[in-house]
Amino acid sequence: AQKITQTQPGMFVQEKEAVTLDCTYDTSDQSYGLFWYKQPSSGEMIFLIYQGSYDEQNATEGRYSLNFQKARKSANLVISASQLGDSAMYFCAMREAQNNNDMRFGAGTRLTVKP
Amino acid sequence: KAGVTQTPRYLIKTRGQQVTLSCSPISGHRSVSWYQQTPGQGLQFLFEYFSETQRNKGNFPGRFSGRQFSNSRSEMNVSTLELGDSALYLCASRAGWEASPLHFGNGTRLTVT
Repeated sequence: AQKITQTQPGMFVQEKEAVTLDCTYDTSDQSYGLFWYKQPSSGEMIFLIYQGSYDEQNATEGRYSLNFQKARKSANLVISASQLGDSAMYFCAMREAQNNNDMRFGAGTRLTVKP
Repeated sequence: KAGVTQTPRYLIKTRGQQVTLSCSPISGHRSVSWYQQTPGQGLQFLFEYFSETQRNKGNFPGRFSGRQFSNSRSEMNVSTLELGDSALYLCASRAGWEASPLHFGNGTRLTVT
């Protein structure tokens, strides 16, 4: 069974600084997708960024980038120039090609941006 | 394009009752997934429907069931409610291609007393 691990229950970052949120995963599938979501206190889950297992370049989306290290099975989210509005829960998720119907999530990291 | 719509937003039920939650996916999305979110267990996958068929099911008791209609709208039902069923229930839809992300609704917060 696939497993996603986020080892940082909580993180603090100073406004305008960069922060890295860790995510490691376990899969025997060669083809899979990795996703990051943001969940503010209001509760909605917002899709941030996607990385495919065969993608050679790290994904980037505005201030979000994904540090993908396939051999280490890690997919860390990097947020540059943190803003107060970035304070939220962040979830890493994975979907395997052999199990295309099912996306599983990590436990999440609560990020707090300090002014 | 309208997003995923879940109704109701809040629900209070008593133990032993049953409840039905509704989800309207993004237009054109045929896949609908349901998740339960609690502080202790995090986000747990309930089930996924595609073209009115359940394709996958998480590790939940049979009291949790769902269905999908021909217009892709989905409902989930929880029978014989227990206190532990109190949670945020999230519905998500996606397009069919492999890299498509889940698009979530705002959720239904269920409180069982």
